[in-house]
Order: sequence, then C-alpha cells, then structure tokens
Amino acid sequence: DGGITQSPKYLFRKEGQNVTLSCEQNLNHDAMYWYRQDPGQGLRLIYYSQIVNDFQKGDIAEGYSVSREKKESFPLTVTSAQKNPTAFYLCASSIAASGGGEQFFGPGTRLTVL
Amino acid sequence: AQRVTQPEKLLSVFKGAPVELKCNYSYSGSPELFWYVQYSRQRLQLLLRHISRESIKGFTADLNKGETSFHLKKPFAQEEDSAMYYCAGETSGSRLTFGEGTQLTVNP
Repeated sequence: DGGITQSPKYLFRKEGQNVTLSCEQNLNHDAMYWYRQDPGQGLRLIYYSQIVNDFQKGDIAEGYSVSREKKESFPLTVTSAQKNPTAFYLCASSIAASGGGEQFFGPGTRLTVL
Repeated sequence: AQRVTQPEKLLSVFKGAPVELKCNYSYSGSPELFWYVQYSRQRLQLLLRHISRESIKGFTADLNKGETSFHLKKPFAQEEDSAMYYCAGETSGSRLTFGEGTQLTVNP
C-alpha cells in the first residue's frame, strides 16, 4: 500500500474541541475526497476538491471544513459544530476531476469523541 | 435525486454456491456504475466498473437499464470473497454516490 496516507489511525477528542485529520497523496491526482463511513449507511461524501484552491460541499458538509492549498494535501477539520462526529473517515483521490476515473482510498481514521 | 440502494445488509452463502449482490439505482441519463470491495483490514478498492464489461476475481456485473439494476454475480463463491461490497454511481463531475453496502460471508 502507499500513494494515499491518512493520519492518525485513531483519534480521540473531547466534546467542544476541533480536530484535524490529515490526508496526503503522492499519486499526482487532481481530485480528492472525504467520506464518512457509518455502519448501515455506506459512505457519505463530506467535501471534495477537483483542483488546488477549490473545493465543494458534499452531502453532509455541516460541521466540517477543508482546505486544498497543495495538490498533495486535503486536510479535514471536524469542528465542535458537528453533532455526531464519532465515525470512520476515509480520504480518496482520483486522477481526473472530470469523471470516469477510479477512486483510490486511504486506510482511514477512526475518530472517537469522548 | 440520484441514488444507489443495496437492499441486503448481510448475505451469507456456502462455498461453491452462486452469489448475487443486488444494487439498484435511480439516475437520469446513462449512469457510470461501479462495485467497490473492502476486505477485512484492507482498504476500500475498486472491483469492477460497468463500462469495461470485465470479469474480476470471477465476478461480473451487468447494467440492466430496464430494471435500473447493476447486480454483482459470481457462479461459485469462495471463502476469500467474504468482504463488504459497495455499489456506487458517478454523479456530476467525479462524485460517487455509494449504496449502504452488503456484508458477504462465504461459509466453508
């Protein structure tokens, strides 16, 4: 494995704190994505970015924020406004921003709010 | 709204039996559809996509526009096929909409 990495693997947060999840890729992919994976609900798109310095909200963006200052990096911040943040978070990337391409996934970060 | 549904959360078969994982979609136009798989302790990865009409690890999936389905099939299941399977459709740009997932267990 390689190419797309996420850190940390496990993350614990107290209620009311913001926390940032890291996602890095060395595949030279234009597009990057953040998903949330919950049992029985599949993967739900939080944010995605098709090009540096640009990103769009996905289906469940409330309580999250992102930045895309570099092609390789797409960090996700889970803010205190996110009402149910405990989940498994997956980052992905794809070659083309215009569609038709395979998405490559990272190993995930499991966030637990205490 | 464009949507992908997988009606079975859990599916259990015996080794050597045929297996079919169901996927239905509601899309306008001609959808781009995929099956992704997540084996235990491994990353989510692409299994196959409908435009390539390929067979991967013995699995095939046919797009049925009349029934708006994209079911994944394998004639003889193996224990190593046990995994979580997700059907996904491509919406605008490169966005994917995933189904709820089906956990397949192949018993010896």
